Amino acid sequence: QKEVEQDPGPLSVPEGAIVSLNCTYSNSAFQYFMWYRQYSRKGPELLMYTYSSGNKEDGRFTAQVDKSSKYISLFIRDSQPSDSATYLCAMTGQGAQKLVFGQGTRLTINP
Amino acid sequence: DTGVSQDPRHKITKRGQNVTFRCDPISEHNRLYWYRQTLGQGPEFLTYFQNEAQLEKSRLLSDRFSAERPKGSFSTLEIQRTEQGDSAMYLCASSQGLGVYPEAFFGQGTRLTVV
Repeated sequence: QKEVEQDPGPLSVPEGAIVSLNCTYSNSAFQYFMWYRQYSRKGPELLMYTYSSGNKEDGRFTAQVDKSSKYISLFIRDSQPSDSATYLCAMTGQGAQKLVFGQGTRLTINP
Repeated sequence: DTGVSQDPRHKITKRGQNVTFRCDPISEHNRLYWYRQTLGQGPEFLTYFQNEAQLEKSRLLSDRFSAERPKGSFSTLEIQRTEQGDSAMYLCASSQGLGVYPEAFFGQGTRLTVV
């Protein structure tokens, strides 16, 4: 079993919809939780990170962490076609050494 | 400094040849990471440096792989005697370490194709 599980999709939604992306993990030592966006043939771009449990909002993006359930989410409000990309969750422990990534969810926003 | 820079962006090589990739991190970042990403998968950790010291290597990093970061600046990743299974995107990332700033910023990657 992988340390981080993420549904690879693909996920296709209409423009303006609320998108929910999720990851589960097994390592209770993870303290930092990140979301990256990756366009085709490009490097991952950091969207936001959260420390420990709780919510964090940045514009149309909201990240949630539930450490008791080992479950993290990314919500995208008012989704745009430009949000079409692969979304990767990533995690690391205290000391912030290597990141452990999920498989990535491929998202398409249809105009 | 606009971000992490990787060179070359693409490399096609014949099986058995050696290849070397370069990464220039964000200038104030003391940590540098190498990851490998195959199609449809998330990046997998290979190794990381804090300044010039290589602190951890993944089991994925076989004896044919070597990474260096002389003087704690740029880094190189060399693959000797390439195999078709080495075909992947090689990603470099940097961060300002010690846990307070865990964000790692990635370069655009070097896409390696072994034929």
